[in-house]
This record gives sequence, structure tokens and C-alpha cells, in this order.
Amino acid sequence: AQSVTQLGSHVSVSEGALVLLRCNYSSSVPPYLFWYVQYPNQGLQLLLKYTSAATLVKGINGFEAEFKKSETSFHLTKPSAHMSDAAEYFCAVSAPSGGSYIPTFGRGTSLIVHP
Amino acid sequence: KAGVTQTPRYLIKTRGQQVTLSCSPISGHRSVSWYQQTPGQGLQFLFEYFSETQRNKGNFPGRFSGRQFSNSRSEMNVSTLELGDSALYLCASSLTSSGRGNTGELFFGEGSRLTVL
Repeated sequence: AQSVTQLGSHVSVSEGALVLLRCNYSSSVPPYLFWYVQYPNQGLQLLLKYTSAATLVKGINGFEAEFKKSETSFHLTKPSAHMSDAAEYFCAVSAPSGGSYIPTFGRGTSLIVHP
Repeated sequence: KAGVTQTPRYLIKTRGQQVTLSCSPISGHRSVSWYQQTPGQGLQFLFEYFSETQRNKGNFPGRFSGRQFSNSRSEMNVSTLELGDSALYLCASSLTSSGRGNTGELFFGEGSRLTVL
């Protein structure tokens, strides 16, 4: 079984400030980990993914995440927030189950960016 | 390359009616998954289809069903609609369902927003 916990349903930052969105996972086997972003009235778009290669993963729009096995964490960061980063962010864990990989999603964190 | 296309984007139904939602995956993608998204429950997995076969199913009642056609297009159906079925229904496709190279990365459509009155 696998699960994801995103700490904080809302995160508020000022434009130009560091963005940190927290994600902890649980998986009985080595997982694949993802961050997706969802803008209003749209579907989810992949930001980045960890697939057992480098533990520091770089994604689109300046985001990156670090896989820490000892902490079972996969936190998402961006050095400087832009107004356009305001959206809902979802962490997901995927592990093999019955021949398929079915991602389990966290409840999401809404990022609010203040001017 | 065209993305995942879902139709209709918005629809309104009344309790007791049934609804069919359609999803066309990215060309070459053979796996199609459906998710229900609500403010209260977040993203919940409904089912996954691969090569016209349901491979996995989430914890939803039998009123929720789906199918996949030979061209990988998929439909989901909800019968006897309830108020609680109001949600954004997201379809996602991936290159394959299992095997080497599959990580579970999904490509999502924009969703079909269902309102049940």
C-alpha cells in the first residue's frame, strides 16, 4: 500500500520569496514520486518526477524536489516565487501493483503568491 | 501531438439521470485512467483500462462504470446520479500500463465538470 501526506493545505508567500511545499510518502517498495500542478479549471500537469536516478530532480518553471529516503520526503522548492506560480500542487507516489502503476495523490496544497 | 481530450467540458444533470463522459488519449497511449476530483475527497482513482480491459478499479459503487475501445478511446458512465457525484472527472493517459519504462506518469485532460441538481 502507498500513501502521500502533503503538509499544509494552503501556503502563502510573497513574490520573490522561497517556495517550499512539503510531501511525505509511504510505500512498501521503492517508489516513483511526482509533483503535478493544476491551474483553475484545468487538468493536472507534470512538474517533475523521481524515478530512482538522481535524488535532486529539476522540473519545469524553475521547480525542483529532493528525494530523501531516510525522511520519506519529496519536498518541492522554488527559489523565487512568481505570481504565475499560484495554483494547486499535488504530490503523488506510484509503485507497482498487480502489473500496473497507479499513482496515489495527496490532498493538494494551494500556493498563494502575494505581490 | 494533441493532448488528452475530454468531452463534454461542462454538464448539468438532475438526480436519477445517467451521464456518459468521453476521453481520447494521446496518440500511442494505450492506458487510460479516470479520477474523480472533489474539494472534500481530493483526487480519487476510479479505474484504469488497458487494451480494452479494466486493469484496476478504485473503491466506487457499481453505478460507476467504464469501457475502452480498440482505438484506446475511453468512456465512463455514471448511472442513477446522486448529488454527491458532482465533481470534476479527469481522464489521464499513459504510454503503457506495465512493464519496463512505465513509472505511472500520467498525462491529464482538462476534465469534465459534472453538476448534479
